[in-house]
Amino acid sequence: AQSVTQLGSHVSVSEGALVLLRCNYSSSVPPYLFWYVQYPNQGLQLLLKYTSAATLVKGINGFEAEFKKSETSFHLTKPSAHMSDAAEYFCAVTRPYAGNMLTFGGGTRLMVKP
Amino acid sequence: GAGVSQSPRYKVAKRGQDVALRCDPISGHVSLFWYQQALGQGPEFLTYFQNEAQLDKSGLPSDRFFAERPEGSVSTLKIQRTQQEDSAVYLCASTTSRGTSTGTEAFFGQGTRLTVV
Repeated sequence: AQSVTQLGSHVSVSEGALVLLRCNYSSSVPPYLFWYVQYPNQGLQLLLKYTSAATLVKGINGFEAEFKKSETSFHLTKPSAHMSDAAEYFCAVTRPYAGNMLTFGGGTRLMVKP
Repeated sequence: GAGVSQSPRYKVAKRGQDVALRCDPISGHVSLFWYQQALGQGPEFLTYFQNEAQLDKSGLPSDRFFAERPEGSVSTLKIQRTQQEDSAVYLCASTTSRGTSTGTEAFFGQGTRLTVV
């Protein structure tokens, strides 16, 4: 079985500040990991993914995430928040070449203050 | 269209009514998924199709839920005798590969928001 825990259902940062959204996973095998963003009334859009290549993954809109096996973590960061980053962020896991579905965390709502 | 299209975007159903939710995946995508997203929660897997074959329906919450993809393209999720706990956003996703376990990106539709009153 696999699961994803996102610490902090709500995170608030000031514009220009560092964004850190936490994700920890549980998996019996090295997983594939994803971060998706969901804007209001829209579907999920892929930000970045880890598929066992480089542990530091760069995504769209200046986001990046680092896979740390020892900490079973895949935290999402962005050096400088922009107002347009305000959205819901979901971490997800899948088992390579085994299960076919994504298992999502509960989500973190990012608020950006001017 | 260029993306995954779902219809209707919003559906209000009276308790006990049957509903049908439609998903048009990206043309040529082999795999199609349905997820249920309750308010304030992450999406939860319902069912998975590879072409017209339903390979996994382990996430369907009850036998009131039924999904089909008869020609390997458009899919319909049907909920019979809707109940209040069925209120959620139903998301459809498609990928080029056989499932997401290859690490392939899943493209999501905007979802159908179902409200059962």
